[in-house]
Amino acid sequence: ETGVTQSPTHLIKTRGQQVTLRCSSQSGHNTVSWYQQALGQGPQFIFQYYREEENGRGNFPPRFSGLQFPNYSSELNVNALELDDSALYLCASSDALRGRGTGELFFGEGSRLTVL
Amino acid sequence: RKEVEQDPGPFNVPEGATVAFNCTYSNSASQSFFWYRQDCRKEPKLLMSVYSSGNEDGRFTAQLNRASQYISLLIRDSKLSDSATYLCVVTNNAGNMLTFGGGTRLMVKP
Repeated sequence: ETGVTQSPTHLIKTRGQQVTLRCSSQSGHNTVSWYQQALGQGPQFIFQYYREEENGRGNFPPRFSGLQFPNYSSELNVNALELDDSALYLCASSDALRGRGTGELFFGEGSRLTVL
Repeated sequence: RKEVEQDPGPFNVPEGATVAFNCTYSNSASQSFFWYRQDCRKEPKLLMSVYSSGNEDGRFTAQLNRASQYISLLIRDSKLSDSATYLCVVTNNAGNMLTFGGGTRLMVKP
């Protein structure tokens, strides 16, 4: 058990809809990263939040957005869903100083999104 | 070209075998390197860090060649429980963003 919890675990949406995924980070961790993992692929970095500010972003369009709250929990929002957004969305927390990383991410079990 | 490339496998090996996985990365400014393990339908977990001098953790040995931008993982005396996908991971030069390879699937058979 990593102490990172995600909700919901599974959900089904249709094209054009919007979705919000939630993540509670491990106690004491101030950094949250979100990854998208398509079937048979490695996780792809979406973005990272450190102390409520975006601290890096991968190659994802603006319809992928996020938030981090004062308690370091986080949300991932995806607007105008497309079929290719179907994937496992992983949240990972870490205790990293800004601009430096430890490399050890503690992942939640993920939210599996299916877009029909 | 992908930033981190791995042979997807699968590698099918008998128990007790030695197996090696390779990984190449494109960003020469990458700062840190890791191997993660992901079991089927589970989240990735850190297996070990990779250092230029090479490092060992029990049956697992990791090597880094910065000049060739190449990382390896050697597993000796394979166990059934080693069956998983092994993900090669590289950080950016700031060290705050991890890039994962596509993973190499290992299946250890009795």
